[in-house]
Amino acid sequence: NAGVTQTPKFQVLKTGQSMTLQCAQDMNHNSMYWYRQDPGMGLRLIYYSASEGTTDKGEVPNGYNVSRLNKREFSLRLESAAPSQTSVYFCASRAKEWTGSGNTIYFGEGSWLTVV
Amino acid sequence: GENVEQHPSTLSVQEGDSAVIKCTYSDSASNYFPWYKQELGKGPQLIIDIRSNVGEKKDQRIAVTLNKTAKHFSLHITETQPEDSAVYFCAASVTARQLTFGSGTQLTVLP
Repeated sequence: NAGVTQTPKFQVLKTGQSMTLQCAQDMNHNSMYWYRQDPGMGLRLIYYSASEGTTDKGEVPNGYNVSRLNKREFSLRLESAAPSQTSVYFCASRAKEWTGSGNTIYFGEGSWLTVV
Repeated sequence: GENVEQHPSTLSVQEGDSAVIKCTYSDSASNYFPWYKQELGKGPQLIIDIRSNVGEKKDQRIAVTLNKTAKHFSLHITETQPEDSAVYFCAASVTARQLTFGSGTQLTVLP
């Protein structure tokens, strides 16, 4: 059981380059998330998808786009990378919106992105 | 929006002692409070959570307490072990859509 899988694990980009972070979950979860983690700032939500075909902005969406390709996959795209986007990115998923025991968010292992 | 403050940012304890991490939240409508543990190079993993209709929850050496009046909640780890060394995050949620995370506590258990 792989859980939440994200690729690549490490990436170095030049300013202005574009790239896509891929994420897939095999738990049949409805909701998927992209967070970024910066030192001393915890995890901040970039984008959220409640279900296939829907996406919503989180706390820090500027400079990013997302695609919920199907129920399993949720990708994050940087169209023109900037040094301020140097961070660790985490994809996550959750089973249900707000009932029962479905509140647990499961995180992937993270993607370390450096923009030079 | 919700704001979560977490203290301390670093905490060192001797093996076998207890560790306490505290968080405060701003939105009185928040009703779900999870705690995550993040080991080096890994993603955060849920260790315990509590809902606003419960004041305390225990799971072996880990417990969480919630004071809704004061808008704060705490993580208690007893009989700490070296494998408890990690970064711990608290979070609060008003709706299921967004968790707001604290800034994290680096816990080091000294042998």
